[in-house]
Amino acid sequence: DIQMTQSPSSLSASVGDRVTITCRASESISNFLNWYQQKPGKAPKLLIYAAYNLQSGVPSRFSGSGSGTDFTLTISSLQPDDFATYYCQQSYSAPYSFGQGTKLEIK
Amino acid sequence: EVQLVESGGGLVKPGGSLRLSCAASGFTFSRYSMNWVRQAPGKGLEWVSCISFGSSFIYYADSVKGRFTISRDNAKNSLYLQMNSLRAEDTAVYFCARGDTAVAGTIDYWGQGALVTVSS
Repeated sequence: DIQMTQSPSSLSASVGDRVTITCRASESISNFLNWYQQKPGKAPKLLIYAAYNLQSGVPSRFSGSGSGTDFTLTISSLQPDDFATYYCQQSYSAPYSFGQGTKLEIK
Repeated sequence: EVQLVESGGGLVKPGGSLRLSCAASGFTFSRYSMNWVRQAPGKGLEWVSCISFGSSFIYYADSVKGRFTISRDNAKNSLYLQMNSLRAEDTAVYFCARGDTAVAGTIDYWGQGALVTVSS
């Protein structure tokens, strides 16, 4: 099974900051990597699919990159609505594992 | 508008069974794979199971294999998760989630979740 490891586990940042979250797969997953945002008490929301494709309706300040085993999610200029927990997930092969999450908090 | 509404959650004793249902609307259900994803209280997301649009392909997480069964009824636009031999560690919010048409494990819509509590 493929293991997904995110870093950092938590992050404090300010509005306007540029933030990067990384995700590493235990083996190559090509570009089958998705990013989700989850707010407390809510269902997750798809942000990025296939490593770098922005889901419809997601602001352009979110971007994704990477292939193989190493991936990043970047938020170019943090907005108040972006403080949430972010998860990566591989959809290369079942079981479709998630990373442990990165909690983004206000500094 | 895509809607996924879970039902059937509740309190069950260890070793017991429960069946979750998910009613889908706003899209052609029979054309999409479907997933169950769970989240234990205060913890991260855990993918549980996936079923292809025609039920030909079914996958499970190792943690539930042999105890949980995913199924669907395309005529009723419904997804199910039969959970047997439940354990305390199965306590979680269970999300019904739609898979992308091209990649089953890419989840583009989620339900609001159903809480399952396993406790004596």
